[in-house]
Amino acid sequence: EVQLLESGGGLVQPGGSLRLSCAASGFTFTSYTMGWVRQAPGKGLEWVSDINDSGGRTYYADSVKGRFTISRDNSKNTLSLQMNSLRAEDTAVYHCAKAKSSGSAYDIWGQGTMVTVSP
Amino acid sequence: DFQMTQSPSSLPASVGDRVTITCRASQDISNYLAWYQQKPGQVPKLLIYAASTLQSGVPSRFSGSRSAADFTLTISSLQPEDVATYYCQNYNDAPLTFGGGTKVEIK
Repeated sequence: EVQLLESGGGLVQPGGSLRLSCAASGFTFTSYTMGWVRQAPGKGLEWVSDINDSGGRTYYADSVKGRFTISRDNSKNTLSLQMNSLRAEDTAVYHCAKAKSSGSAYDIWGQGTMVTVSP
Repeated sequence: DFQMTQSPSSLPASVGDRVTITCRASQDISNYLAWYQQKPGQVPKLLIYAASTLQSGVPSRFSGSRSAADFTLTISSLQPEDVATYYCQNYNDAPLTFGGGTKVEIK
């Protein structure tokens, strides 16, 4: 069964850091672009970041550029998101997602991990 | 800045109605557009990609089309299980922007 399982969310103070992880299983992780999408409470979907299959190309939303870093460990089938200088507006459920192919739509989504940025 | 303008934001309709949701891209994205369905308390589900290709397992009452910069998701006959929020997404180039969402409800 294809599965994405996020972890690492929690409560953090403004200016703090958090590292999210996403464990992938049931598919050939090394063959697919992966991404992070967030959803603030009661709000719509916001794309955060993407990384290509090899990890050599990364892309970021302007709202997180310079603060967040996406990475992947293809030997461990794991996707990560290092989040620094966190702000209240980063509060959201963070989903990892698998693209159907390079530069494609997301066909598999994880359940998400909640990040709350508050004093 | 690149934008995906989705309308309407709310759509009450009756069971059996034909429902149409539109997204307009502020720049040319070719056919690199996807539609997702998010039911309350669930993760988004891919319905359509490449503007008009139905994802495997999605009912045929869902369809997508493109006319220049306007993309349309159509539900040919609304069913109770279609109550959800629908989002479009550009995946032509970063930023992979989502539309603001359309909440479909039963009248």
